[in-house]
Amino acid sequence: GAVVSQHPSRVICKSGTSVKIECRSLDFQATTMFWYRQFPKQSLMLMATSNEGSKATYEQGVEKDKFLINHASLTLSTLTVTSAHPEDSSFYICSAKGGMSYGYTFGSGTRLTVV
Amino acid sequence: EDQVTQSPEALRLQEGESSSLNCSYTVSGLRGLFWYRQDPGKGPEFLFTLYSAGEEKEKERLKATLTKKESFLHITAPKPEDSATYLCAVQGILTGGGNKLTFGTGTQLKVEL
Repeated sequence: GAVVSQHPSRVICKSGTSVKIECRSLDFQATTMFWYRQFPKQSLMLMATSNEGSKATYEQGVEKDKFLINHASLTLSTLTVTSAHPEDSSFYICSAKGGMSYGYTFGSGTRLTVV
Repeated sequence: EDQVTQSPEALRLQEGESSSLNCSYTVSGLRGLFWYRQDPGKGPEFLFTLYSAGEEKEKERLKATLTKKESFLHITAPKPEDSATYLCAVQGILTGGGNKLTFGTGTQLKVEL
């Protein structure tokens, strides 16, 4: 149990375009989902927390107009990187609270490359 | 602000050579301390949650322990398939509404034959 599916696993886009990443909890309802960004050999940095049916809470320094988060249902949250630039290239990971052991279950991550 | 420091940054072991990874933390009231395993290009995989000092949990060759200031992940007789980055994270009662995880930078473990 407690599976989080994240798609796509890898995406390459042109500078100036937008990219949407989906995060789904497959076998449990997630009232809260989290979006992280990870640079090579660095830790996970929390970008925002999303609660179903309400606006996301962004961490300091994260541009909410650039990283649009929607949590429309108890099993789906999306992150849209708008007007992507090469510096947005990174590994994005979602997490959902719920499922086993009061834990946080992570998706498999999305490698975004902006060219 | 919650802080997590993991050491060593990297560790190379021979197969069968037991060792421990350290996670030192400061937190505004600990709600939980988490250990995850992360393989290259993948999301973190849940290993353990510890809630209070003195608690221990085991899973196969791994054992996690917790004190008021640090946690250890003991690896007994490791195998090459244990090679991964091990991440420690804390959840503080007063941070981010009690939901936010603060991660350390991880220990990259390589187990060689």
